[in-house]
Amino acid sequence: QKEVEQNSGPLSVPEGAIASLNCTYSDRGSQSFFWYRQYSGKSPELIMFIYSNGDKEDGRFTAQLNKASQYVSLLIRDSQPSDSATYLCAVFRPNSNSGYALNFGKGTSLLVTP
Amino acid sequence: DGGITQSPKYLFRKEGQNVTLSCEQNLNHDAMYWYRQDPGQGLRLIYYSQIVNDFQKGDIAEGYSVSREKKESFPLTVTSAQKNPTAFYLCASGDSPNSPLHFGNGTRLTVT
Repeated sequence: QKEVEQNSGPLSVPEGAIASLNCTYSDRGSQSFFWYRQYSGKSPELIMFIYSNGDKEDGRFTAQLNKASQYVSLLIRDSQPSDSATYLCAVFRPNSNSGYALNFGKGTSLLVTP
Repeated sequence: DGGITQSPKYLFRKEGQNVTLSCEQNLNHDAMYWYRQDPGQGLRLIYYSQIVNDFQKGDIAEGYSVSREKKESFPLTVTSAQKNPTAFYLCASGDSPNSPLHFGNGTRLTVT
């Protein structure tokens, strides 16, 4: 079982709609969760992070965490064409053999159509 | 401005040659990381270092080597033993567990 799983997409939503991106993880000891946005040919940039169960909102973005279901999601409200990118879910597992490194999913490609 | 600088942006090498990718940070972070990204793939950890003069292998360390002689610098050498070196290489740093990683702009390596 892959440690961090995401649907590769592409997820296509019309401009102004809500985009919902999902991620599941396998290690129940995972402590912190991050969403990065990556434009084609560029490096990842941090969008949101969440540590506790529930919702965390920042502008048009909301991260949702459910540790019991091992599930984290990112909602993008009022989606814009500029949101078209690949969204990477990353998880920190404190007892892994990778120090403080993050484990990444393969990413979900989002396309916002005008 | 604080950040992570990777150089060069593009690198071309012939098969059988070693090549070194540069990564410098001025964020005063203790931990630094090298990830590799292939098309349509997520990031895979090559090496990481949590303190000067110490580093550990990640998930795909074979064919790579690193050094950490200074806090600011964490160069990655892609050796001729790496069977499929063409990829996008990303350097990152972080200041504590649970904190986000900050990424450089990446180096795209092409080996022919």
